[in-house]
Amino acid sequence: NAGVMQNPRHLVRRRGQEARLRCSPMKGHSHVYWYRQLPEEGLKFMVYLQKENIIDESGMPKERFSAEFPKEGPSILRIQQVVRGDSAAYFCASSLDPLVYGYTFGSGTRLTVV
Amino acid sequence: KNEVEQSPQNLTAQEGEFITINCSYSVGISALHWLQQHPGGGIVSLFMLSSGKKKHGRLIATINIQEKHSSLHITASHPRDSAVYICAVDMDSNYQLIWGAGTKLIIKP
Repeated sequence: NAGVMQNPRHLVRRRGQEARLRCSPMKGHSHVYWYRQLPEEGLKFMVYLQKENIIDESGMPKERFSAEFPKEGPSILRIQQVVRGDSAAYFCASSLDPLVYGYTFGSGTRLTVV
Repeated sequence: KNEVEQSPQNLTAQEGEFITINCSYSVGISALHWLQQHPGGGIVSLFMLSSGKKKHGRLIATINIQEKHSSLHITASHPRDSAVYICAVDMDSNYQLIWGAGTKLIIKP
């Protein structure tokens, strides 16, 4: 059981490009969460997904950001037309049942926009 | 005011000292989490608490639901304990973890 796998670990994009961040949850986990950590700040919730459904996206910026968790394959956080302010660490967490088992976190993707 | 407050922000101690990190929250919660983050590294879940006390090795976590307060203790601290320790809460009303700002701990040999 490889844990929560995030890739890439580091991603550099020029302003205006698209960034795709991938998260493979632990085997059997159907709950996926994305969090963003801006430099020198705490983590902030972005979105909560279950298979093929977005449950809560209240933390997602209204424009340029989208997330999906398809029936097959990893969860994807997509940022279109990146700007310097998108530079941050993006963490994914998964759970079988968060109130019973808690969360397992990935190692994060560090996005740098140049 | 943040919903989750941690203290201290920074803590430097000598190897072997007993360490206490505090967390206060202002919302109704279903669970509280203590997590560890190394510089440039991932996040590791240490404890999930909804009442009482838990112990794992040299780490102890306690929670007082009435006072909305939790503490993380490290006994016989070691330089490898140096990391950022973060408190986060599962709110009653939604699915989000609300995070504290973290406590940066440095243990000197």
